[in-house]
Amino acid sequence: EAQVTQNPRYLITVTGKKLTVTCSQNMNHEYMSWYRQDPGLGLRQIYYSMNVEVTDKGDVPEGYKVSRKEKRNFPLILESPSPNQTSLYFCASSLNTKMEQYFGPGTRLTVT
Amino acid sequence: GESVGLHLPTLSVQEGDNSIINCAYSNSASDYFIWYKQESGKGPQFIIDIRSNMDKRQGQRVTVLLNKTVKHLSLQIAATQPGDSAVYFCAENHPSVEKLTFGTGTRLTIIP
Repeated sequence: EAQVTQNPRYLITVTGKKLTVTCSQNMNHEYMSWYRQDPGLGLRQIYYSMNVEVTDKGDVPEGYKVSRKEKRNFPLILESPSPNQTSLYFCASSLNTKMEQYFGPGTRLTVT
Repeated sequence: GESVGLHLPTLSVQEGDNSIINCAYSNSASDYFIWYKQESGKGPQFIIDIRSNMDKRQGQRVTVLLNKTVKHLSLQIAATQPGDSAVYFCAENHPSVEKLTFGTGTRLTIIP
């Protein structure tokens, strides 16, 4: 089954404790992206990747890192999480930006 | 229709009626548009897309209309069903940037 998976689905952590949210897709997509979703603000892009070893900042990259060492994986790293990073995070993938993006199920992160 | 702000626009429609969700996009040079549906607790799901060289595109029970003159996009859902209750997002892609820009969403509620 074609899908995007994310782990963990729920995470509660404390300020400053490094964490990684994993994202994997099995569709051989070149384009992958991370979004955060906050009430009233819709989906905002954090980082995206056009292909392996190619990443770029989205609209709200501060406080986040990503890597793309393999085509299927695109982890999101929070080196020192802060409470303003409490949000719902989605990973997505597509063949390119002119085609539909497939979204993962989401990761709800709470930073206390 | 969609707008920026803290409160999500809402639309309530009687089951079996048609619904129209509107979206004003921001960039006149955008050449690809897409509608997503997000049910509670899930990631966004693709509904239908349209490219700027088209004015209308139809899918199963859904139609997207594009008016480039006034930068307006609409999603029509025919014969609505309870399962259509969700938040609907429009998104646009500008040819010079490798990302989708999402609207803030409209909450559609189907009244039985």
